[in-house]
This record gives sequence, C-alpha cells and structure tokens, in this order.
Amino acid sequence: LAKTTQPISMDSYEGQEVNITCSHNNIATNDYITWYQQFPSQGPRFIIQGYKTKVTNEVASLFIPADRKSSTLSLPRVSLSDTAVYYCLVGDPYNNNDMRFGAGTRLTVKP
Amino acid sequence: GAGVSQSPRYKVAKRGQDVALRCDPISGHVSLFWYQQALGQGPEFLTYFQNEAQLDKSGLPSDRFFAERPEGSVSTLKIQRTQQEDSAVYLCASRPPGSDTQYFGPGTRLTVL
Repeated sequence: LAKTTQPISMDSYEGQEVNITCSHNNIATNDYITWYQQFPSQGPRFIIQGYKTKVTNEVASLFIPADRKSSTLSLPRVSLSDTAVYYCLVGDPYNNNDMRFGAGTRLTVKP
Repeated sequence: GAGVSQSPRYKVAKRGQDVALRCDPISGHVSLFWYQQALGQGPEFLTYFQNEAQLDKSGLPSDRFFAERPEGSVSTLKIQRTQQEDSAVYLCASRPPGSDTQYFGPGTRLTVL
C-alpha cells in the first residue's frame, strides 16, 4: 500500500485559500487519491477523489501533477467551520479494502 | 436518508470485561468496515465484510477482537477481556455497491478503566 505523508497541522484565517499537500511517492498505477474530512466526535466524511490532473466539486479542488507522486487539496475561502482533520488516502478503489488512513492534517481556521 | 448508526455512543468498561459494539449500516450497503481510532491518530483498519462474509480481518489487533455480520446488515464488534490499550473510538463505515466512498458512523468511544 502506498504510504502518504502530510503536514501534521496548519493554521489559516477566515476567507483565505488553504492548500494541503500530500506526498505519495510509491503510488501505483491503479491507485486513486481520496481526501476525507473529520470533525471532532464524528466519523470521517468524503470530500473529493481524483486520479490525475484536476478535480473540482462544490467543496474543494484536487490538483494532481503528471507524476502523481503528490497531490494538493485546495479549500477556497475557508471559514471557521472548516476547522477539522483532513486525511489523504491512496489506494485502488476497486480493491475492496485497499484504502488506509494516515495521521492526517489538523487545520485550524482562525477569525 | 438515515446514515450509519452506532451504539452505544459511549462505553466505559472495567479491565477484563467483555464489550459489544453495534453498527447499523446504510440500507443496501454490502460492504462494511470497522476502524479503531486512538486519540490524535487517524482511523486504523480492523476488518471488512462483504455481505455476511468477513473478507479481511488482518487489522484485528489480537484474538480478543471478534467481528460478525451474520445476516449481512447489522454488525457487532466484540472485545473480550478488555485492556486499557483498547481505549479508543471504534468507527464503522459502510459502502454502497459500485462505489468506493465509505460512509462513516459517529463512532463508539470506549474507555477501559
């Protein structure tokens, strides 16, 4: 399984764009990159998934360079409610239980 | 619709007691996962079911941990002779057919005294 490396924590201010980068040097051909968000006392929640280039949804964007050895989750104009832990997962979604969580990045948004 | 539910939300056990944690997945979700999350850490995979079949139990930390899903819906994670190191949040997730998105429940916080 591909190992991921993320910053342990990040601080930001309301209204700023936040970019969280995840390194996954050993990503395999069949692997996708998935991000989950977790608030205190809740289970993780799916944010976004991609394979290459750029994916955008109503919550975030995911940028993946051509070599796919890293990826960047971009959160536009964060608010206090975006304070959470963000997990980067790399795995083959068609291999049923291939997704593994790392330690995540604790994002704190300040007023 | 209803999400994944777990019960109890909080459980306090004395060392040596047995505990049973319940997960009600979203209706129609054939895949079910159990995770253990220690304080300040990410979820750690414990076991995976597809319908009633337990296809992967490689993450169960010891033979004191046992999971079942006899009818392919509700699942129970049982921990025998609990130890202090078992204190954690136990998360259940389910996944619909044809999707790789897991839907998590709120977890059960187990504290072993």
